[in-house]
Amino acid sequence: KAGVTQTPRYLIKTRGQQVTLSCSPISGHRSVSWYQQTPGQGLQFLFEYFSETQRNKGNFPGRFSGRQFSNSRSEMNVSTLELGDSALYLCASSTGQGAIYGYTFGSGTRLTVV
Amino acid sequence: AQSVSQHNHHVILSEAASLELGCNYSYGGTVNLFWYVQYPGQHLQLLLKYFSGDPLVKGIKGFEAEFIKSKFSFNLRKPSVQWSDTAEYFCAVKDGTGNQFYFGTGTSLTVIP
Repeated sequence: KAGVTQTPRYLIKTRGQQVTLSCSPISGHRSVSWYQQTPGQGLQFLFEYFSETQRNKGNFPGRFSGRQFSNSRSEMNVSTLELGDSALYLCASSTGQGAIYGYTFGSGTRLTVV
Repeated sequence: AQSVSQHNHHVILSEAASLELGCNYSYGGTVNLFWYVQYPGQHLQLLLKYFSGDPLVKGIKGFEAEFIKSKFSFNLRKPSVQWSDTAEYFCAVKDGTGNQFYFGTGTSLTVIP
């Protein structure tokens, strides 16, 4: 059974650019959540998508957005990149909304903004 | 909003030593509790979880955690650590009212052979 797949693994962007990250959940998982991981802040929740609808949103500016497709794949977009957006972005999938039984995480996309 | 505290940021132990990592949360209602582990270069993996029932839960690789409701705590324990337990450990809480997980900032464990 394939795990959660995130692409690309690494990205380097310059300030002001935008970036799109992709996540393919485990087959059969309909919920996809995104987290930002940084050394000082740990994991911070960005948003959760379930059945193509955003169900929950963390405390991030509107520059961070996402969407989910009918096959449960999800994309996350960050516009007007800032240096502080440099982080590991993790995607996690679960069977149901709210991940009551826990997440399966992907390996992440390491974004560096220069 | 929920907050999750992991007071030990860095822990260094020798092999065979006992481990206890602290986790405290702020929400007073029904919670689901989790411990995740991130081995060097690998993705986060679920170690164990608590939903209800026996407050002492057992997970993979000999880890266990005890839920103490009166102390808002969910501490992770292992009687005898191994070098392969070197990793970062994250406590996570999901409260019963919402769909959001709250993670602690993590504890880095280094086990010296």
